[in-house]
Amino acid sequence: GQNIDQPTEMTATEGAIVQINCTYQTSGFNGLFWYQQHAGEAPTFLSYNVLDGLEEKGRFSSFLSRSKGYSYLLLKELQMKDSASYLCAVREQSNYQLIWGAGTKLIIKP
Amino acid sequence: EPEVTQTPSHQVTQMGQEVILRCVPISNHLYFYWYRQILGQKVEFLVSFYNNEISEKSEIFDDQFSVERPDGSNFTLKIRSTKLEDSAMYFCASSEGRGQETQYFGPGTRLLVL
Repeated sequence: GQNIDQPTEMTATEGAIVQINCTYQTSGFNGLFWYQQHAGEAPTFLSYNVLDGLEEKGRFSSFLSRSKGYSYLLLKELQMKDSASYLCAVREQSNYQLIWGAGTKLIIKP
Repeated sequence: EPEVTQTPSHQVTQMGQEVILRCVPISNHLYFYWYRQILGQKVEFLVSFYNNEISEKSEIFDDQFSVERPDGSNFTLKIRSTKLEDSAMYFCASSEGRGQETQYFGPGTRLLVL
């Protein structure tokens, strides 16, 4: 079956670091995406991993381990505007569809 | 920066009516997608479209739904005989290619079926 798991909600403090985990079980794998979604808005692309390892992009980094079916999104120097849901999505190899996790709601406190 | 646009931003309709949701993908993109997100739930894939035909569709995308690219810029999702459970945010997305290309999302159309 297909399953993508993320924590439902996390809380962190402004200026701190937070790691949002995602585990997946899909019939195929052709890349993992992280998107940010503010309430009532569209998902916006953050990162893409297809090979194992860490991809860094400014304050955001994303890690992938294909053998473990595991990824995380690391957010540094948290800002209040980072309060949003973070969606993990896996592209299946067979049909290129994006399979989405339910998202992790990140709450940033001053 | 180019972006995907969608109209209308909000649509209210009566159960049983037909609605057409419109999208203008990024101009040099070749692959187009529709997703829906019921309030508080996951994003769900509906359909992908390439070269004027459907390339993939999910179980959700039944005969009630259809897509069309009526001209060189618009990409539409038609929902026939709407049901209460069709109430959701509908997102259009586009990508340059199919394989490892990032999909860029439009702002969405919030559909409310009464």
